[in-house]
Amino acid sequence: EIVLTQSPGTLSLSPGEGATLSCRASHIVSASYLAWYQQKPGQAPRLLIYGASSRATGIPDRFSGSGSGTDFTLTISRLEPEDFAVYYCQQYGNSVWTFGQGTKVEIK
Amino acid sequence: QVTLKESGPVLVKPTETLTLTCTVSGFSLSNAEMGVSWIRQPPGKALEWLGHIFSNDKKSYSTSLNSRLSISKDTSKGQVVLTLTNMGPVDTGTYYCARIVTSLDVSTAYFLSYFDYWGQGTLVTVSS
Repeated sequence: EIVLTQSPGTLSLSPGEGATLSCRASHIVSASYLAWYQQKPGQAPRLLIYGASSRATGIPDRFSGSGSGTDFTLTISRLEPEDFAVYYCQQYGNSVWTFGQGTKVEIK
Repeated sequence: QVTLKESGPVLVKPTETLTLTCTVSGFSLSNAEMGVSWIRQPPGKALEWLGHIFSNDKKSYSTSLNSRLSISKDTSKGQVVLTLTNMGPVDTGTYYCARIVTSLDVSTAYFLSYFDYWGQGTLVTVSS
């Protein structure tokens, strides 16, 4: 089973700053099956990025995804107040899905 | 409009069996490009994938729960049912169902797959 390790665990930033979130896989992951989700307290996760770099419907262009192989990145170019949340990466392989442990982006 | 909604007991006793239903609307469980997955989240912790079922009835389960978990569907009712036996305190958490979409990326000729819609989740507590 592929393990996804996200870093950092917590990112303390101010609105307007940029954020770079990392997701590292224990084995090579198909970029086609790498997604990112945002979760706010008390809410279900929301799809942000699929196929490693494609934005989901309605997702602002300040969110972007990149990467291949074992290293993937979610970048938020300029943090808006509504972007402070927990972010999870997810992969699919051999009929099994796995999630990373999450990165919390908090207001500094 | 695509929606998914989880329903079931909020409190389960240790050793009992949990049965949750995910009722979907806005799409059909017979759609070849779609499936439904179950995910849970213990309080304050990360998401954990449990299992999924596709339109062709193909299923897959988390290896850690494989012996306790079963997922089935009733296409005519638009429902996916999760059954988890021998519940314990570690099974406490919010249980979500989500729609899986599989589509062809025409630019790369690779298939994409992801969870595009989620239910609101239902909190299940295991306690005597």
